[in-house]
Amino acid sequence: GIQVEQSPPDLILQEGANSTLRCNFSDSVNNLQWFHQNPWGQLINLFYIPSGTKQNGRLSATTVATERYSLLYISSSQTTDSGVYFCAVEPSWGGGADGLTFGKGTHLIIQP
Amino acid sequence: DTGVSQDPRHKITKRGQNVTFRCDPISEHNRLYWYRQTLGQGPEFLTYFQNEAQLEKSRLLSDRFSAERPKGSFSTLEIQRTEQGDSAMYLCATHRGYEQYFGPGTRLTVT
Repeated sequence: GIQVEQSPPDLILQEGANSTLRCNFSDSVNNLQWFHQNPWGQLINLFYIPSGTKQNGRLSATTVATERYSLLYISSSQTTDSGVYFCAVEPSWGGGADGLTFGKGTHLIIQP
Repeated sequence: DTGVSQDPRHKITKRGQNVTFRCDPISEHNRLYWYRQTLGQGPEFLTYFQNEAQLEKSRLLSDRFSAERPKGSFSTLEIQRTEQGDSAMYLCATHRGYEQYFGPGTRLTVT
């Protein structure tokens, strides 16, 4: 099956700092989503971005499909940004039946 | 609000007991997925429904796991003869537009 690797696994930053989270995947995809999992376990949709660049406030994401990686940028970090960030992909051949394959996540801690 | 609710939110059971979880999308979404998430890992895909048809179930973890979606709306996931290794968060998701949206999950603890 498709492989998803996220880096770094852990990241500790001071409030106000910027960060870049990376997601590498092993095959072509027709779906790539970034999620933020809050302390209660809820997965919050951040971006649907199988290719290209999107921005939403302090967050932006870029996926270079031909090179099989995606980046999530967080600017001017706030303590509420803390949590685990997941990248998840669906392979192009799946037709939806394979579900999403998740990476192991990046655990982000923003200190005041 | 993701439009997906799950019940119960927490379940504590003794080893060997059967448990059933329910997933309710707010409106009827054709595609429904179940995932399991263990501590420190990303969610792991289990099974997929297109309306009431279960189109993928080979990823269910063992024959103790089964899922249904009888009328193409809500879905249930049952685990028979629970084991301590079944302790995890069980997540339901639906597909809207191009994205999957997740419910809050059911956290299962097997003692």
